[in-house]
Formats: sequence, C-alpha cells, structure tokens
Amino acid sequence: GQNIDQPTEMTATEGAIVQINCTYQTSGFNGLFWYQQHAGEAPTFLSYNVLDGLEEKGRFSSFLSRSKGYSYLLLKELQMKDSASYLCAVRDYSGGYQKVTFGTGTKLQVIP
Amino acid sequence: NAGVTQTPKFRVLKTGQSMTLLCAQDMNHEYMYWYRQDPGMGLRLIHYSVGEGTTAKGEVPDGYNVSRLKKQNFLLGLESAAPSQTSVYFCASSRGRADTQYFGPGTRLTVL
Repeated sequence: GQNIDQPTEMTATEGAIVQINCTYQTSGFNGLFWYQQHAGEAPTFLSYNVLDGLEEKGRFSSFLSRSKGYSYLLLKELQMKDSASYLCAVRDYSGGYQKVTFGTGTKLQVIP
Repeated sequence: NAGVTQTPKFRVLKTGQSMTLLCAQDMNHEYMYWYRQDPGMGLRLIHYSVGEGTTAKGEVPDGYNVSRLKKQNFLLGLESAAPSQTSVYFCASSRGRADTQYFGPGTRLTVL
C-alpha cells in the first residue's frame, strides 16, 4: 500500500516563497504528480517528477528525492490567486499494474 | 475541445433514490476514473475503466456501479443512495493508466 503525508494547511504572504512538502512510502515508486485545486473547482495538473532533482516551470518548481521518499512544491512570488489546495499524487507499480494515489492535499492561504 | 465534462453539476437526493452521473471526454483517452472527494479524506478512487466495455473497482466501490459503453462516456450509478454518499464526485481521464489525469468540473451530491 501507500502512505502519503502533506501538511493540512499553510499560510504565506503575497510576494513571498512557500514550500509545500510531501512524503510518501511505497515499494514500487514510479513518479510523483502535483495538482492544484481551487476551492469548488477540479484539480489541474502542475508538475511531474520521476527522477531526482528539481523541475522548474515558471514560478512553480517541484523537487524529488526518491531515496528519501520526499518531494516538495516551491511557489515563488506568491500571488493571491495561488490560494488553493495542492495535491501530491504518487504513481507506483505493484501487483502487475500501475496506479496513482492522491494525498489529502495542503490548503494554502496567501495573505496580503 | 471541451476536455472532460460532467452532468449534473448539483443534485439532491432522498435516501433510497437512484441516479446516474455522466462523464464525457473528447480527448480519445483510454482510461477514465470516478473519484469522490470528502473533507480531510482527499480524492478516493471509486471505479475506473481501461477502455470501452471494461471497468474495475477502485478503493471505495461499494454502493456504486459503472458502465463504459462508449469510449468517450463513463457513467456512475447509485442504485439506492445513502447519506454517506454525500460528496463531490469528480470524473477524470488519462491517456495511459498512470499518465496525467484531466478532471471534470465535479458533481456536488447531497443525500438527505
């Protein structure tokens, strides 16, 4: 099975940088996704990591360390519209097939 | 290109009533999924489909049935609704089993 942990809530100031962590335990790790979900809306894809290191995409970056079972999403130059939940999802391969399991999400509030 | 659409957006049922939620995608994706999202629980997979005519159980399948008669459509049925099925239901699709998932806007269901 899988165990995915994320902080439940975070608060950060507009213009600042925030790091949202995700730790996971799985035997057949095969990639990690980050999704953004605004209140009352559907999750939308942000990033995907399968190899160790940092993937940068504009103001958002995602980091992965497979040996530590750890990822983070880094948001720079925070804007009010970044207030949303951020879902970590782990892909693993077990029992002959791949599956994706979502964490419970981190609710980020950006304040002026 | 509408992506993933869901109908209805909102529904209120009485205990014991039945209903069907419709999901449609125009991306020619093989895989489709039904999730429910509850506060503090994250996204939980109900059923999924690996192609037309094929369905499989997810994490929380009890009380639900699904059908995929056409590749672009995935139906979720509740035969006898219970208050525990009050939730937000999201449909998603992906090209492959563990590729990026594209979500519909959600259906907010209340069972009284």
